[in-house]
Amino acid sequence: SQQGEEDPQALSIQEGENATMNCSYKTSINNLQWYRQNSGRGLVHLILIRSNEREKHSGRLRVTLDTSKKSSSLLITASRAADTASYFCATRGAGDYKLSFGAGTTVTVRA
Amino acid sequence: EAGVTQSPTHLIKTRGQQATLRCSPISGHTSVYWYQQALGLGLQFLLWYDEGEERNRGNFPPRFSGRQFPNYSSELNVNALELEDSALYLCASSWTGEYGYTFGSGTRLTVV
Repeated sequence: SQQGEEDPQALSIQEGENATMNCSYKTSINNLQWYRQNSGRGLVHLILIRSNEREKHSGRLRVTLDTSKKSSSLLITASRAADTASYFCATRGAGDYKLSFGAGTTVTVRA
Repeated sequence: EAGVTQSPTHLIKTRGQQATLRCSPISGHTSVYWYQQALGLGLQFLLWYDEGEERNRGNFPPRFSGRQFPNYSSELNVNALELEDSALYLCASSWTGEYGYTFGSGTRLTVV
C-alpha cells in the first residue's frame, strides 16, 4: 500500500515559473525523501529531510515538512525544460529502512 | 564510482515461465531493495536484503523471491509468470541507516 500521496497528480508550467507539489503521509516517519524519475528510468535522489527538520534547500529545490499535518512540499524555482519528470515523495518509518513511495506528480515544463 | 547496475535492460517472457533479474549495488552499499513499478502506478516495495539476509518483504506472493550474494549483488526471481507481472523492476542500494537510495535504470519485464 502507498504511504505517501502526492498532489497534484500532474502539473504543467511555463519555463521560468515555480512548481510546487505536495505529499501527505499516514504514519510517523523517520525521514521523508524526494526523488525524480525521467521517462520511466531509474529514480534520482533529490533531497532528504529528517523528522526534526522543518525546511531544507538544495540548489533550486526547497522542501518543507510539517509533521503535525503529516505533509511535505517540494518547490522547484525557476523551472527549466530539463525539470520535466515525475516526482515522488518517499517516507521511512521509525525503525524501518525501506522506503514507501507515493504515486508521484508528473511535471511538464513548457518552453 | 560506478552506479547501481541492473541486467538485463529488457526481458520478454511467456506466461508461466521464470524470470531472473540481477542487480549490482554501489561498492560499499550493503543494502539492496527491489521495487515493482507497473504502468501508471507508483513504486511497490518487493524485497529488502542486507548483509546477505532478507530483512523485509512486501505484499507479494511467494513466487517472487530473491537472494543477496556475499559481494552484495542481488538476484530477483519471479516464477510462474503472469501477465500482470509486466512492469519496470527497480533495484536500489544504500548504506545501512538513514540515507537516500541510489537506483539502477531498471529491468523492463514484459510477459506475453
